[in-house]
Amino acid sequence: QVQLVQSGAEVKKPGASVKVSCRASGYPFTGYYIHWVRQAPGHGLEWMGWINPHSGGTNFAQKFQGRVTVTRDTSITTAYMELSSLTSDDTAVYYCARDLGGRLDLWGQGTLVTVSS
Amino acid sequence: DIQMTQFPSTLSASVGDRVTITCRASQSISNWLAWYQQKPGKAPNLLIYKASNSKSGVPSRFSGSGSGTEFTLTISSLQPDDFATYYCQQYNSYPWTFGQGTKVEIK
Repeated sequence: QVQLVQSGAEVKKPGASVKVSCRASGYPFTGYYIHWVRQAPGHGLEWMGWINPHSGGTNFAQKFQGRVTVTRDTSITTAYMELSSLTSDDTAVYYCARDLGGRLDLWGQGTLVTVSS
Repeated sequence: DIQMTQFPSTLSASVGDRVTITCRASQSISNWLAWYQQKPGKAPNLLIYKASNSKSGVPSRFSGSGSGTEFTLTISSLQPDDFATYYCQQYNSYPWTFGQGTKVEIK
């Protein structure tokens, strides 16, 4: 079955880091970029960046540069997004999504990250 | 960054209505535009790509048009399953950006 399955919800304190995983199955993992998109409660979608699972190359929106790290483990067809120095503004559902020529055609179920003291 | 503006932000309609949502880009994006449907608590679902191409399996009542800076998503005959929030997204250049969303509500 072609799918992306993400890790479970997280609760973090301000200043901490969070690492979300995204496991791909049913298609060639290294053949498609994986993007990360987040959605704060009651708000719209915000693009964060991507990873090329083949090369490991990455590209991020400027607002996240220096604070986000995206990696992958091809042996287990999993991508990871780590966000550091968390604040309450980072409370959101984080999605991974597969890039099919620019459009995001396959999405994970989302991971809720709550930042609270 | 390219700003994507959607309107209306909320739309009240009845089953069977023809519905049109507009998305405007702050600069030309050619036809590098996608439309997504999102239901509460769920991930977005791709409907349309490259402005007017429907993803396989998407009902034919959904159609997209436009190029340059002005785009529309049309639902020809609104069905109960279509009440959701719709987002446009440009993939002409990074950072990719989304419209703020249009919520389609039951009238």
